[in-house]
Amino acid sequence: GAGVSQSPSNKVTEKGKDVELRCDPISGHTALYWYRQRLGQGLEFLIYFQGNSAPDKSGLPSDRFSAERTGESVSTLTIQRTQQEDSAVYLCASSSSLGQGFNYGYTFGSGTRLTVV
Amino acid sequence: DAKTTQPPSMDCAEGRAANLPCNHSTISGNEYVYWYRQIHSQGPQYIIHGLKNNETNEMASLIITEDRKSSTLILPHATLRDTAVYYCIVSGHAGGTSYGKLTFGQGTILTVHP
Repeated sequence: GAGVSQSPSNKVTEKGKDVELRCDPISGHTALYWYRQRLGQGLEFLIYFQGNSAPDKSGLPSDRFSAERTGESVSTLTIQRTQQEDSAVYLCASSSSLGQGFNYGYTFGSGTRLTVV
Repeated sequence: DAKTTQPPSMDCAEGRAANLPCNHSTISGNEYVYWYRQIHSQGPQYIIHGLKNNETNEMASLIITEDRKSSTLILPHATLRDTAVYYCIVSGHAGGTSYGKLTFGQGTILTVHP
């Protein structure tokens, strides 16, 4: 598609359940990022995939969080044993990468609003 | 990553130029300056980026000082739809551990008034 697609757009889950969030990046974009944005707060970096390189997982807040990416396509963010503090909008972005050493701007999806009750 | 400093909020009259400042005094030689904005309830939107030279596109202009320690985003004719949070970000360069990862600060809330 033309943009970054995320699903579901909204998810309400019970505390303790596992959730899986999906991101379809723009075709051909080698880089993919997950961010979290709590209500009224800024964006928190979670994880970054770049081609076949090992992902940068430095932003994952706990071992309950994990993410996978198949090649240069779909990515899934999994949160196990969800807690109320996990409630946030989870944003995915993708970008192309040039050899000159910078990424073109990210294109963000509309996000998944996760509510843990 | 170098840190950036932005004013927490600014106001602008519709039709006037909005000039949003950003300080990035610890920027290193190969780091780029990026600007994004986030309109309420939407994902952030890329605006513009630059390294040394001033840049202009259909959305905005970016003025970077000669010492690269600060920059200004200019929206030449602000509209009500430009009301958003504007983020100034310094990006790591290729080969660095932070390459590609953009760290969003608190940004500047720009409010455009009729």
